[in-house]
Amino acid sequence: EAQVTQNPRYLITVTGKKLTVTCSQNMNHEYMSWYRQDPGLGLRQIYYSMNVEVTDKGDVPEGYKVSRKEKRNFPLILESPSPNQTSLYFCASSIDGKLFFGSGTQLSVL
Amino acid sequence: ILNVEQSPQSLHVQEGDSTNFTCSFPSSNFYALHWYRWETAKSPEALFVMTLNGDEKKKGRISATLNTKEGYSYLYIKGSQPEDSATYLCAFKPGGFKTIFGAGTRLFVKA
Repeated sequence: EAQVTQNPRYLITVTGKKLTVTCSQNMNHEYMSWYRQDPGLGLRQIYYSMNVEVTDKGDVPEGYKVSRKEKRNFPLILESPSPNQTSLYFCASSIDGKLFFGSGTQLSVL
Repeated sequence: ILNVEQSPQSLHVQEGDSTNFTCSFPSSNFYALHWYRWETAKSPEALFVMTLNGDEKKKGRISATLNTKEGYSYLYIKGSQPEDSATYLCAFKPGGFKTIFGAGTRLFVKA
């Protein structure tokens, strides 16, 4: 089954404790991206990747890192999470512009 | 930062009503406009990808139109059903790889 797999679904952590949210797709898509969703705001793009080893900043990249060492994986790294990064996060992949989303990760930073 | 506006923010209709929402986007540097449907506790799913001025797309009771010259797209739902209750997102793609989402229109359909 074609899908984008995100883990974990829920995560509660404390300020400053490094964490990684994983994202994997099995559709051989070149393009992958990360978004955060906050109440009253649209999905805001954090980072995107056009292919292996090619990444670029979206609109809200501060406090996040990404890597794209393999085509299928695009992890999101929070080196030192802060409470303002509490949000719902989505990973997505695309081959023709249409985005396929993962199931989301609800992150709470205390 | 490019701005994408959706209106209304929310909408309550009765089963059987027809309804429509608006997405406004910058009219310059247009590449594509997408519509997504997002049900509670699920992930957004693509409805339409629109690339040409004057495009009209249809999927069952849902249709969309695109005007790139004036920077707007309409989404129509004919004969709304309770299962149409969801948030409808539009996403603007200027030239390049970025995607800018509107805040969405939340539709509630009462049986």
